[in-house]
Amino acid sequence: ILNVEQSPQSLHVQEGDSTNFTCSFPSSNFYALHWYRWETAKSPEALFVMTLNGDEKKKGRISATLNTKEGYSYLYIKGSQPEDSATYLCAWENNAGNMLTFGGGTRLMVKP
Amino acid sequence: KAGVTQTPRYLIKTRGQQVTLSCSPISGHRSVSWYQQTPGQGLQFLFEYFSETQRNKGNFPGRFSGRQFSNSRSEMNVSTLELGDSALYLCASSLPSGGGAGELFFGEGSRLTVL
Repeated sequence: ILNVEQSPQSLHVQEGDSTNFTCSFPSSNFYALHWYRWETAKSPEALFVMTLNGDEKKKGRISATLNTKEGYSYLYIKGSQPEDSATYLCAWENNAGNMLTFGGGTRLMVKP
Repeated sequence: KAGVTQTPRYLIKTRGQQVTLSCSPISGHRSVSWYQQTPGQGLQFLFEYFSETQRNKGNFPGRFSGRQFSNSRSEMNVSTLELGDSALYLCASSLPSGGGAGELFFGEGSRLTVL
């Protein structure tokens, strides 16, 4: 069984707070690490796909880092806004490709 | 550019029946994968198709099957439905990059309720 773990499971923050979540995954047979945002009543939407150890990617106020040797990735949100409220999913892709193993997600709620 | 379209969006079946769900990928995307979302298990991989061939299958019983057509549209079928099959079924398409899946584009899902 491949374990992709995310923490925390849920998080309540105030508007303007910065926050971060963790995704841990198997370091062997690694190919890529994906991050998705899933808003209620919508489809999951890709944030980042990272493949290289040490990768850092940024999209607006959201950024992510990747450590493939130790098997973890961090997602950071700077200055959280209510519209950031969503479930954030990470997914591990092995080197056989084409299938993703998802973590359980971190549910973020940002209070105005 | 149209997104991934799944039909039907909602359906109710009874135990023992079978169901077919449909997915139309983004134009030009040849890889289609299916995932099951349940409250307790999160998103779990069912199978992935590329150019009408199943390349990967998740750990689900044989009652779960799928196929892909030459236009990349895909269907999945669940036979002899059980209560535990109640879930949101998500389809995702991608334009594979390098050897991997690439970024997945998800549909809105088909919510199946089994009574």
